Amino acid sequence: QVQLQESGPGLVRPSGTLSLTCAVSGGSIRSYNWWIWVRQPPGKGLEWIGEIHHSGGTNYSPSLKSRVTMSVDKSKNQFFLKLNSVTAADTAVYYCARAIVGATTGYFDYWGQGALVIVSS
Amino acid sequence: QSVLTQPPSVSAAPGQKVTISCSGSSSNIGNNYVSWYQHLPGTAPRLLIYDNNGRPSGIPDRFSGAKSGTSATLAITGLQTGDEADYYCATWDSSLSTGVFGGGTRLTVL
Repeated sequence: QVQLQESGPGLVRPSGTLSLTCAVSGGSIRSYNWWIWVRQPPGKGLEWIGEIHHSGGTNYSPSLKSRVTMSVDKSKNQFFLKLNSVTAADTAVYYCARAIVGATTGYFDYWGQGALVIVSS
Repeated sequence: QSVLTQPPSVSAAPGQKVTISCSGSSSNIGNNYVSWYQHLPGTAPRLLIYDNNGRPSGIPDRFSGAKSGTSATLAITGLQTGDEADYYCATWDSSLSTGVFGGGTRLTVL
């Protein structure tokens, strides 16, 4: 059973950088192609942030592309999210998940519990 | 503003059936598979349906999915109070080259 766990600072100052780690257990990060980040601002729906391949390839949401960086550390079975120049609008619960991706298919079968990040001074 | 449109809320009585629609376009639903998620705030979203109508192991057959053209539908039969949650559709958008979620639908079991 694959498990994912997000971790990182729960409070980030405006204009700072949000940094989160997703630790994968119960399976190798190399065994599945893609891993994603999703967020949910308070009172709003789920928003796809981007995805990273275990080789390091990435796809980002156009609305966040200029501020997002994702990376992976296969030796630690972890992948990471960095979002810079944050504002209060980036306050959200951030989720990591495993993506099963094919030519026309893509779904997210294992999720972390989520990490609340508040952007405030 | 999501590219996938869902009704904000639906409701039905216990034991009844409810359907949740997800409307998109040829760049997303029309040419890609749809998945559905159940989400209780503060918990991990749960995959209910993949590839339009596939059901992961452990998901009751009360949950079913369908797709026609640029729209998809999640149906839940034999409603239970435990089904009260937010439901999201998702797919890939080939024009945006990004994953997309619907705006979510809050299900109330009266």
